[in-house]
Amino acid sequence: RKEVEQDPGPFNVPEGATVAFNCTYSNSASQSFFWYRQDCRKEPKLLMSVYSSGNEDGRFTAQLNRASQYISLLIRDSKLSDSATYLCVVNMDGSNTGKLIFGQGTTLQVKP
Amino acid sequence: DADVTQTPRNRITKTGKRIMLECSQTKGHDRMYWYRQDPGLGLRLIYYSFDVKDINKGEISDGYSVSRQAQAKFSLSLESAIPNQTALYFCATSGLDRNEQYFGPGTRLTVT
Repeated sequence: RKEVEQDPGPFNVPEGATVAFNCTYSNSASQSFFWYRQDCRKEPKLLMSVYSSGNEDGRFTAQLNRASQYISLLIRDSKLSDSATYLCVVNMDGSNTGKLIFGQGTTLQVKP
Repeated sequence: DADVTQTPRNRITKTGKRIMLECSQTKGHDRMYWYRQDPGLGLRLIYYSFDVKDINKGEISDGYSVSRQAQAKFSLSLESAIPNQTALYFCATSGLDRNEQYFGPGTRLTVT
């Protein structure tokens, strides 16, 4: 089992749609969770951290389910500019080691 | 100006050549990382450094070496490049008390 697994997609959605991505992780001791966004041939950029209580940033909502070891990202009212690859990222263990495991990414294509 | 810079941005080299990729940061972070990204494989950790005197191997360190010349500088060397080292290479940094990482723009390396 991969340490971090994502559905690679692609997810093709119309503008204005709501889309959700899920990610599962294997290490129950993991404490830090993130969603990164990566545009084609560019560097990954931090989209948001994921907290136990769930968190929202504008049109983006992240949820964490520790019991089932999965993380989700919900994008509401999709924009053309949301087209990118979304990376699920988890730290390797429960300590603050700074070592992260990156999922392969889920590709989103928002169409007019 | 970018907080994390990488040079060169693109490089084509021949098999057997030695090549160095450089990374500099102005974020004041202690931790620095080198990753490579290949299509379908996601980001994989090559080496990481938590301070100038601390260097650690990552998941795929064979064929690579690093040097942490200063807090702000972390270079990656390929002693004898081979074609399967053709990839997109990213440098990243993080602070001591947080796990989120910030990436440079990447170096696209082609080994012929």
